Amino acid sequence: GAGVSQTPSNKVTEKGKYVELRCDPISGHTALYWYRQSLGQGPEFLIYFQGTGAADDSGLPNDRFFAVRPEGSVSTLKIQRTERGDSAVYLCASSPGTSGRASWGHEQFFGPGTRLTVL
Amino acid sequence: ELKVEQNPLFLSMQEGKNYTIYCNYSTTSDRLYWYRQDPGKSLESLFVLLSNGAVKQEGRLMASLDTKARLSTLHITAAVHDLSATYFCAGVYNFNKFYFGSGTKLNVKP
Repeated sequence: GAGVSQTPSNKVTEKGKYVELRCDPISGHTALYWYRQSLGQGPEFLIYFQGTGAADDSGLPNDRFFAVRPEGSVSTLKIQRTERGDSAVYLCASSPGTSGRASWGHEQFFGPGTRLTVL
Repeated sequence: ELKVEQNPLFLSMQEGKNYTIYCNYSTTSDRLYWYRQDPGKSLESLFVLLSNGAVKQEGRLMASLDTKARLSTLHITAAVHDLSATYFCAGVYNFNKFYFGSGTKLNVKP
């Protein structure tokens, strides 16, 4: 089966523009995560979905960032009024985990990432 | 919030040698993950450690977890060049919020 896919692989935009980043998780995976990885750093948690709902969005840096997962499968990360500091690789991961303790021990499967460059 | 610290951040070693990467975390995280990342690539899951005293091994890599000391280790035995990569550990808060360390960049010289 296919792994996690992300599109586009690269996105170059100008400061102030709006961007959308897409994640297709592994079929049947109920948990979906978005991370941001800056050069030389580990991934930074942004948001976690369980099904269609955002179970934890505490990692979103400000209200310019928003993510949706309307049908419990594909997710879109949306960034408004992009700033140069938003430049990073945005990673998506999915897991078969259900909520709470039932998700223990489940691996996360990461996509290849979208490299966002804000000029 | 869970703080995760890895050391060393950079590790250059000769093939055939052994070494250990350390991962300390600041508060309760009774499961711990290790990942590998090759340059320009995404993260590959290596180990999931679920309980105190857990030990897992795959090839030349062995990971362990001590929840009392809030410490996990990734031990490399008889390193080979193919193990060159960046290794991340991640602790988990509130079941599903992952906190990653800064990574250990390993370079194994032939």
